[in-house]
Amino acid sequence: DIQMTQSPSTLSASVGDRVTITCRASQSINSWLAWYQQKPGKAPKLLIYKASSLEGGVPSRFSGSGSGTEFTLTISSLQPDDFATYYCQQYNTYLLTFGGGTKVEIK
Amino acid sequence: QVQLVESGGGVVQPGRSLRLSCAASGFIFSSYAMHWVRQAPGQGLERVAGISYDGSNKYYADSVKGRFTLSRDNSKNTLSLQMDSLRAEDTAVYYCVRDKITFGSGSSLHSWGRGTLVTVSS
Repeated sequence: DIQMTQSPSTLSASVGDRVTITCRASQSINSWLAWYQQKPGKAPKLLIYKASSLEGGVPSRFSGSGSGTEFTLTISSLQPDDFATYYCQQYNTYLLTFGGGTKVEIK
Repeated sequence: QVQLVESGGGVVQPGRSLRLSCAASGFIFSSYAMHWVRQAPGQGLERVAGISYDGSNKYYADSVKGRFTLSRDNSKNTLSLQMDSLRAEDTAVYYCVRDKITFGSGSSLHSWGRGTLVTVSS
């Protein structure tokens, strides 16, 4: 199986900050990567697919980049609604796997 | 709009069985791969099982292979997960999830149910 490693596991930031989360794959996954946001007690929500395509209805302050084995999710100006846990997920193979998550906390 | 409603969760003793169901509506069920993704308390996400749009291909995480069986009924818009030989480590919220793209076997995960809690405990 392809292993996905996210860093950092926790991130403290303030409203207005630029935030970057990294996801690394154990082998090349081309651009078959998605990002999700999850708030406590809720199901995850798809933010980005195919590494850099923004899902409909997602604010443009979210962006994704990367290909191969290294990917980033960037929030250009952190808003109060963005404090949550973020997960990456690869779908280069049908054995879908997730990263361990990055919790974005209020500084 | 897309609706996925899970049922069947509860408390079960180790070694026993449980069957989860997911009722889908608001989209053409037979056109999309479907998955069960679970989340243990305070932990991350794990895709435990997935099935292609037509049911011809099924995929299982190593942690459940041989114990869980995934099926779908495209005539009833229903996804099911038969869970046998349950273990304490299977305790989690189980989400029913739809693929983003049509006619695939696994892609980004577009729509999620609210989840159903399975607790394995004596």
